[in-house]
Amino acid sequence: DGGITQSPKYLFRKEGQNVTLSCEQNLNHDAMYWYRQDPGQGLRLIYYSQIVNDFQKGDIAEGYSVSREKKESFPLTVTSAQKNPTAFYLCASSWGGDEQFFGPGTRLTVL
Amino acid sequence: GENVEQHPSTLSVQEGDSAVIKCTYSDSASNYFPWYKQELGKGPQLIIDIRSNVGEKKDQRIAVTLNKTAKHFSLHITETQPEDSAVYFCAARGYSTLTFGKGTMLLVSP
Repeated sequence: DGGITQSPKYLFRKEGQNVTLSCEQNLNHDAMYWYRQDPGQGLRLIYYSQIVNDFQKGDIAEGYSVSREKKESFPLTVTSAQKNPTAFYLCASSWGGDEQFFGPGTRLTVL
Repeated sequence: GENVEQHPSTLSVQEGDSAVIKCTYSDSASNYFPWYKQELGKGPQLIIDIRSNVGEKKDQRIAVTLNKTAKHFSLHITETQPEDSAVYFCAARGYSTLTFGKGTMLLVSP
């Protein structure tokens, strides 16, 4: 089956700790994206990557970091510098920027 | 950058009624407008999209209209069913990324 997987589904972390969210796709898509979703705020773009070894900041990149070493993988690290990290995180991929396919999401809670 | 406004934030209808959700965008260069449906605890799924060279597109009970001059586009769902209950997001693509509206929670009562 082709698709996007995100793991874990739920993640808990203590304040001051970095945490990495996984995103893998087997759709052979070039572009991958990370969004953050808060209640009533829609989806806000954190980072995106259009090719391997290259990525750009989105609207709310502060406190986050990414890497794109393989076409299939685009992990997101939520650092201790992110002031309000509790949210639902969504990963997506696309051929060239139009139709984006989303993963099931990871819900991060900071304790 | 692009700014997308979506209305209403919540919409309650009776089963069988029609539902309309409206979005406006700010960047006249935007050329792609998808609509996503998100069920509770899941990722959004694309339900229909339209490009700037088309004024209307229909897929069974769902249709989208686009008015480039006024910079607004709308989602129309006819003969609503309880399984249509979800959050719906519009989006607009400018240079290389999508900008999303804040979502509409659609509730369809049996």
